[in-house]
Formats: sequence, structure tokens, C-alpha cells
Amino acid sequence: DAMVIQNPRYQVTQFGKPVTLSCSQTLNHNVMYWYQQKSSQAPKLLFHYYDKDFNNEADTPDNFQSRRPNTSFCFLDIRSPGLGDAAMYLCATSQTGRETQYFGPGTRLLVL
Amino acid sequence: KNEVEQSPQNLTAQEGEFITINCSYSVGISALHWLQQHPGGGIVSLFMLSSGKKKHGRLIATINIQEKHSSLHITASHPRDSAVYICAVNRGSTLGRLYFGRGTQLTVWP
Repeated sequence: DAMVIQNPRYQVTQFGKPVTLSCSQTLNHNVMYWYQQKSSQAPKLLFHYYDKDFNNEADTPDNFQSRRPNTSFCFLDIRSPGLGDAAMYLCATSQTGRETQYFGPGTRLLVL
Repeated sequence: KNEVEQSPQNLTAQEGEFITINCSYSVGISALHWLQQHPGGGIVSLFMLSSGKKKHGRLIATINIQEKHSSLHITASHPRDSAVYICAVNRGSTLGRLYFGRGTQLTVWP
């Protein structure tokens, strides 16, 4: 089945230790999104790729970076995680002209 | 003020009850989405609406463009419907980007 896959599902890291979350998709969608969702809050868009065109939200901290080496894969790098970065990180995809987004299961990040 | 507002924030119901969750928005939109999020995080798209009404099984979604309001109805609710229901909108000028409401936590008791 075509889908959005996120790895790992759970990630524990230490304060300040870099971490990378991954997302892959078999839908061949051209747009990919990374969201941060904290407890009891709505998902917050961090950045999105329109094909290879990277779009950073104005309030996304510099601590967060992203890479999209090809259509299928997208990575979220947190260079120096702080306690406040503990959250669920959701990846989603869509195809231009079709506004439905398809979400992955999320990666729950815990920072110790 | 959030561009997308949902009510209620929390909703408890007995199995079998008819449930309504409301969403209002203050911006021009190209589409409105109802999403479901179960414990554990995964989000599933239930409906995408730009006008009128859609039905899927026990779920019905309506939208009134003039009033900038949408409702999600669940008929004959069941404990497995317990989840967070999120309203989100596309604004036509911003590609596929979604603007989210804060969600409604629904708990259905047997």
C-alpha cells in the first residue's frame, strides 16, 4: 500500500545531542511537510518542500534543519535539542492540485 | 486569535449518541479538512470539503461557505470513535499548507 513512513517511531536523545528523524513516501507526491505537535496542541508547520524548493516558516528555530535528497525521502535534523523540543514530529505529503495531505504515524521525541 | 476555531474543546458522549463538532474560520479558504488523530499520533484525513456535504459511513461533514462554518457529525457513536478531531483549512494562496484548529477530544463511553 502506498504510504508515508516515519522512522523511528520513538526517539530518546540527550539535551544537546543531535538527532535526525526520517520520513519516506511511496505516493510519489511532490510536496512534503514537517510538523511539530506538542501535547494537546495543533500541529505546527516547521517547513515544507515543494519539489526541491525549501520553504521555512518564519518562526521555525535555526536549530531545526531539513534535507530532501530525492522525491521519496525527507529528513528533519535537530542540531542541539532542548527540553522544549520534546514533541511529536509529523511528516505529511501532498500532490500539487490535490489538497489532501497524507500523514505519517509520527515520531515521538523525548529529550533527557 | 486563531484563524480556525473549534468547539467544543472536549466532548464526552455515551455510546449511540449523535455527536456534532463545530469549526469556524476567519479567512478565505479553498478547502476545509476534517482529520482524526488517535492516541499514538497518526493523523487520518476523514473529509475534504469545498462546498455542501459529504458522508462516509456514520460520519457526515457539512460546510457553509457564506457563514464560514463547518460541522462534523457522528451518528450512532461508538467507543472506537474516541479520538481527537481536527479541523484544518487550505488558503488558496499558500499551496497545500494547512491551518489547523486546536482539535476536539472526543471520548465515547460504552
